Amino acid sequence: AQSVSQHNHHVILSEAASLELGCNYSYGGTVNLFWYVQYPGQHLQLLLKYFSGDPLVKGIKGFEAEFIKSKFSFNLRKPSVQWSDTAEYFCAVSPTSGTYKYIFGTGTRLKVLA
Amino acid sequence: DSGVTQTPKHLITATGQRVTLRCSPRSGDLSVYWYQQSLDQGLQFLIQYYNGEERAKGNILERFSAQQFPDLHSELNLSSLELGDSALYFCASSGTPQETQYFGPGTRLLVL
Repeated sequence: AQSVSQHNHHVILSEAASLELGCNYSYGGTVNLFWYVQYPGQHLQLLLKYFSGDPLVKGIKGFEAEFIKSKFSFNLRKPSVQWSDTAEYFCAVSPTSGTYKYIFGTGTRLKVLA
Repeated sequence: DSGVTQTPKHLITATGQRVTLRCSPRSGDLSVYWYQQSLDQGLQFLIQYYNGEERAKGNILERFSAQQFPDLHSELNLSSLELGDSALYFCASSGTPQETQYFGPGTRLLVL
């Protein structure tokens, strides 16, 4: 069955530290991949997405993610986090054909200390 | 502003009652999704509609039902409410089922 795993549930970093959040999925076919962010008290919004092409994708606010097909991974990175990056981050996967079931991971809560 | 609207913003009701949450998708979007978010369960996918038809079902209870109308707005009906149904209910929309989802501001439901 299709699934998405986010290994870190809670991450605490100091400002200027580097960030990497893991995301692995299980699905045999072609997928679209997404990272969403939910700032405190707000709704989810898109951070970046990968549909095809260059596996290194750049998103808003200095975030990037790399799709490694052989590892079924789509890890999110940021070289230097800021206090304003404190939020919950969700990885999501959508098959490009078939049942179109859109699956979200369980989320990673990031707290950045000033 | 994502273009997805949800009403009401807040809802307080009692156990055993029934409520209806409403969602209007972004203009032109055919897919609508409903999610429940609570502190202990996280973000849970409930149900998806595409152009009026149910496309996928997640962890939706039998006490809950939804539909998408010809004008593409959607309603989520929650009945026989329990304390544990207190949560944020998000609606999202997308053009096709594989594309980016745009989330509404949510409806915060409190069951007393």
